[in-house]
Amino acid sequence: GAVVSQHPSWVICKSGTSVKIECRSLDFQATTMFWYRQFPKQSLMLMATSNEGSKATYEQGVEKDKFLINHASLTLSTLTVTSAHPEDSSFYICSARDPGAHLTGGYTFGSGTRLTVV
Amino acid sequence: KNQVEQSPQSLIILEGKNCTLQCNYTVSPFSNLRWYKQDTGRGPVSLTIMTFSENTKSNGRYTATLDADTKQSSLHITASQLSDSASYICVVSRTGGGNKLTFGTGTQLKVEL
Repeated sequence: GAVVSQHPSWVICKSGTSVKIECRSLDFQATTMFWYRQFPKQSLMLMATSNEGSKATYEQGVEKDKFLINHASLTLSTLTVTSAHPEDSSFYICSARDPGAHLTGGYTFGSGTRLTVV
Repeated sequence: KNQVEQSPQSLIILEGKNCTLQCNYTVSPFSNLRWYKQDTGRGPVSLTIMTFSENTKSNGRYTATLDADTKQSSLHITASQLSDSASYICVVSRTGGGNKLTFGTGTQLKVEL
């Protein structure tokens, strides 16, 4: 079945530094990928929609200059948290759309990245 | 406003027992409804997906139902196991609208000995 690999699974960084998170579709081509943020005991909140070869579409309230998204190929999207601050500490999850994946209905999630900014 | 509400918020059951989780939604126009299992610190994993015309769908010990008229869904877990302890999330997709999914806040299930 469709597999989405997200890396790293966890990262600790110092305040003011930047962190890059990768999301790869391993056995299918994903023209669209999604980035979510999840706080403890809360649901996933869509941050942005990433389309291969074009600029990402950000949800209202998400700073595009702080959360840089690059979708340079059909199998890779990256999220860079720039000048990270402690309030950016969260669980970040990507999702890739694969219309051919019957059980998932076209959406497969990565395993998530726990970001801790100290 | 497109919303998905789940109940209960949390649930504790004994191993081997059955349980039913509820999901009510106001998402329109409706495309499909999905149930996901999310283990702590992991991404969601799909359990079932149902379209408008489907009333029930099973995946092993998981059985989901859908009543599109009342906009309600349930997820029934039979013969629970310790490994079923997780958050169960109901997600509704609407037609058009850029394929956006509306997530419920989840039901936190804990299965104990």
